[in-house]
Amino acid sequence: DVKVTQSSRYLVKRTGEKVFLECVQDMDHENMFWYRQDPGLGLRLIYFSYDVKMKEKGDIPEGYSVSREKKERFSLILESASTNQTSMYLCASSLGTANNSPLHFGNGTRLTVT
Amino acid sequence: ELKVEQNPLFLSMQEGKNYTIYCNYSTTSDRLYWYRQDPGKSLESLFVLLSNGAVKQEGRLMASLDTKARLSTLHITAAVHDLSATYFCAGSSNTGKLIFGQGTTLQVKP
Repeated sequence: DVKVTQSSRYLVKRTGEKVFLECVQDMDHENMFWYRQDPGLGLRLIYFSYDVKMKEKGDIPEGYSVSREKKERFSLILESASTNQTSMYLCASSLGTANNSPLHFGNGTRLTVT
Repeated sequence: ELKVEQNPLFLSMQEGKNYTIYCNYSTTSDRLYWYRQDPGKSLESLFVLLSNGAVKQEGRLMASLDTKARLSTLHITAAVHDLSATYFCAGSSNTGKLIFGQGTTLQVKP
């Protein structure tokens, strides 16, 4: 079974802090994704990566950056956290784009910025 | 740009009844996914629909895809309380991104 592990389940940070959200998958998947989930808005894609050291902007990349130094790890960085970044963050992974496999999601990190 | 819309967003139904959740998408999507999310939990894949006319069933849930109408449906037969959850559909854009709908929260009452 694919396992996608997010390092923290809950985080509370102050406005202006730099925040790192870590995600690790154990199935050698090429693709990794970061979404945020907000009530009434569904899941919105922040960034994704198709390979090591490769990244693509999603629909709402402003205020975020990512890092993928190793295939199994995809980090989301909030350079200077703001209250409107309070949300549930979901990491996901999948096989290559030519494959029809679904995304496998982690359990999520609920981030509160005060 | 692919947009995905679900309706209804909230559905309260009695056990034993049938109902359908609709998922409309705006441009070509070469595959359509359905996911389930229980409160406080992550998303779990239910179905992957790959072609026009595709139908998949598991238990009381059946998903179908009409690519000409740009519509997928998730039909619930004889609902039971265990089906209470939020259901998401997602389309695949031409860049390989998965774009999600807003989600439909289903509440099945005894």
